[in-house]
Amino acid sequence: ETGVTQSPTHLIKTRGQQVTLRCSSQSGHNTVSWYQQALGQGPQFIFQYYREEENGRGNFPPRFSGLQFPNYSSELNVNALELDDSALYLCASSVPQGGKDTQYFGPGTRLTVL
Amino acid sequence: SQQGEEDPQALSIQEGENATMNCSYKTSINNLQWYRQNSGRGLVHLILIRSNEREKHSGRLRVTLDTSKKSSSLLITASRAADTASYFCATDFSSARQLTFGSGTQLTVLP
Repeated sequence: ETGVTQSPTHLIKTRGQQVTLRCSSQSGHNTVSWYQQALGQGPQFIFQYYREEENGRGNFPPRFSGLQFPNYSSELNVNALELDDSALYLCASSVPQGGKDTQYFGPGTRLTVL
Repeated sequence: SQQGEEDPQALSIQEGENATMNCSYKTSINNLQWYRQNSGRGLVHLILIRSNEREKHSGRLRVTLDTSKKSSSLLITASRAADTASYFCATDFSSARQLTFGSGTQLTVLP
């Protein structure tokens, strides 16, 4: 157990809808990163939040957006869902440690877009 | 692409044997990390090796890093059926500390 929780566990949406995924970070961790993992692939970095500010973004369109709250929990929002958005969405929390940051992952949210 | 790549894509061994997985990457890194994932669940952090380190051990795990060849290896000794999982290497090369993952090695340990 990493202490990182995500909700919901599974989610089914239809194309064009919007979805919000939630992540609670490990106690004391001020950085949250989100990843998308398609079936059979490695996770791909979406973006990272550090102290409520976006601190880096991967190659994802603007319809992927996020928030981090004062308690360091985070949300991932995806608008105008597409079939290719079907994936496991993982969040990870960490604390900057000067080059030895370890990211602790939650169990993920499985999103299916029909 | 700056993504790391694992080799082999799949590995099947008998319980008790050693398993070796390799990872290659393309850019200078801050550190390299290995993760395990059981059947579509969350990733479990195994070990982190910094760019100025050459070898690290953790229990039955041994990781090496060769920055001149931009490669790393993960050795699991005396494998067990419970080691069956996908193993990913992830490189940290940016100031944002984002991780770039390879596509993983699927390890199957037969009892």
